[in-house]
Amino acid sequence: DAGITQSPRHKVTETGTPVTLRCHQTENHRYMYWYRQDPGHGLRLIHYSYGVKDTDKGEVSDGYSVSRSKTEDFLLTLESATSSQTSVYFCAISESGQEGGELFFGEGSRLTVL
Amino acid sequence: DQQVKQNSPSLSVQEGRISILNCDYTNSMFDYFLWYKKYPAEGPTFLISISSIKDKNEDGRFTVFLNKSAKHLSLHIVPSQPGDSAVYFCAARSKTSYDKVIFGPGTSLSVIP
Repeated sequence: DAGITQSPRHKVTETGTPVTLRCHQTENHRYMYWYRQDPGHGLRLIHYSYGVKDTDKGEVSDGYSVSRSKTEDFLLTLESATSSQTSVYFCAISESGQEGGELFFGEGSRLTVL
Repeated sequence: DQQVKQNSPSLSVQEGRISILNCDYTNSMFDYFLWYKKYPAEGPTFLISISSIKDKNEDGRFTVFLNKSAKHLSLHIVPSQPGDSAVYFCAARSKTSYDKVIFGPGTSLSVIP
């Protein structure tokens, strides 16, 4: 199994509070991704990174920011959480952004915003 | 608007029979496709992929077919087994933005013993 650790695995917070989810990898892969999974929407890309300090927006980036100061860590921050951000968040890594570069996923972080 | 569509939210199949999961896409720049499988409370796992230069790719019980003119692909599982019961996601990469991988909404497959 790919060495991907997400923390926290479960979090309950209140509307308006900041939240940071962490993804840590031990594979030294260049690419890292944050997705959210919601019923009827599947997996939607929030942000991704193609190197240290290199990030780009995905399909649903509003309300989220990311940072990658080290190869192994990719942080997802909700500056002011809203109930619409209640979801399961998955981190993924990939060795290559090219054809054949499959994504390997973490186990997910379940976030509930009350 | 979803660029990758899986119009069947769920599918039930008898054990031993064929499961066919369908996926349609709208972006003509997509040229690499992947299928992922997801069990409850776990992360998705890679199953099989296909490049747009091919129309078929096979791996054991799993075969993916690609029809570029119709912008359609399908995953065939033969024979289906109860352990195949999971949510299946179709995903795509664009030749203009290979970094991004866009997923469909998923199809929940139940294989009945």
